[in-house]
Amino acid sequence: TQLLEQSPQFLSIQEGENLTVYCNSSSVFSSLQWYRQEPGEGPVLLVTVVTGGEVKKLKRLTFQFGDARKDSSLHITAAQPGDTGLYLCAVAGGTSYGKLTFGQGTILTVHP
Amino acid sequence: DTEVTQTPKHLVMGMTNKKSLKCEQHMGHRAMYWYKQKAKKPPELMFVYSYEKLSINESVPSRFSPECPNSSLLNLHLHALQPEDSALYLCASSPTPQGAWGGYTFGSGTRLTVV
Repeated sequence: TQLLEQSPQFLSIQEGENLTVYCNSSSVFSSLQWYRQEPGEGPVLLVTVVTGGEVKKLKRLTFQFGDARKDSSLHITAAQPGDTGLYLCAVAGGTSYGKLTFGQGTILTVHP
Repeated sequence: DTEVTQTPKHLVMGMTNKKSLKCEQHMGHRAMYWYKQKAKKPPELMFVYSYEKLSINESVPSRFSPECPNSSLLNLHLHALQPEDSALYLCASSPTPQGAWGGYTFGSGTRLTVV
C-alpha cells in the first residue's frame, strides 16, 4: 500500500484546459510538498502546505491542503505547453528524519 | 547561491568500471541526500547524510558507496554496477534533516547508463 496515492497517473490535455491532480492518504501529515520535474532535470519545489484547509496560489496553479491534512490537490487553470512535466506530491519525516516519500507522480502533457 | 550542482550530467560506464558522482551545495544545508529515479517513476531514497554523518541507508547494494567529505560536498562512488542500475541519480539538500518538511533543493541529476 502506497503512503500517498496520486491520481491521475497520466493526463494529456489541450492548451487552455483546466486540470486537477489529487494526492490522498489515510495518514495525517504535518505538511505536504508539491514538485514539478521537467525531462532531464531534477524536481523543483512548487509549494509546501502546512495548515489544514490552506489554499496557496502560484500564478495559474492553486494548491489546497485538506481540512484533515490527509489529502491535497493541485489545480492548473488554462494549462500551457510549458506546464508539461511530472508532478509529484511528497511528505517528509515520520521517524526517518529527512526522508521524503513521494506519490507515484502525474505525467502531464499539454498540447499546443 | 541557491543551487545544488551535480557532475557529470551524463555518464556511461562499463560493468567493471569505477566512477564517482559529485554533488555540491553552498546554501549551508546540513542534510544531503542521494535518490535514484527510473523513467516516469518517482525518486527513491538511497542515502541520507545528516551533519556529514550517514543517517539512513535504504538497503542499497554495496556497489554504491556514499561519501560526505565536508558539509558542502557529497559523492557517490560506483563500482561493478549492473545494467539495471541505469537511472537518473539525484542529489538534494535541506537546511536540516528536520527541515525536510519545508522541501528539498534538488540538483539536475546525473543520467547514468551502465553497458
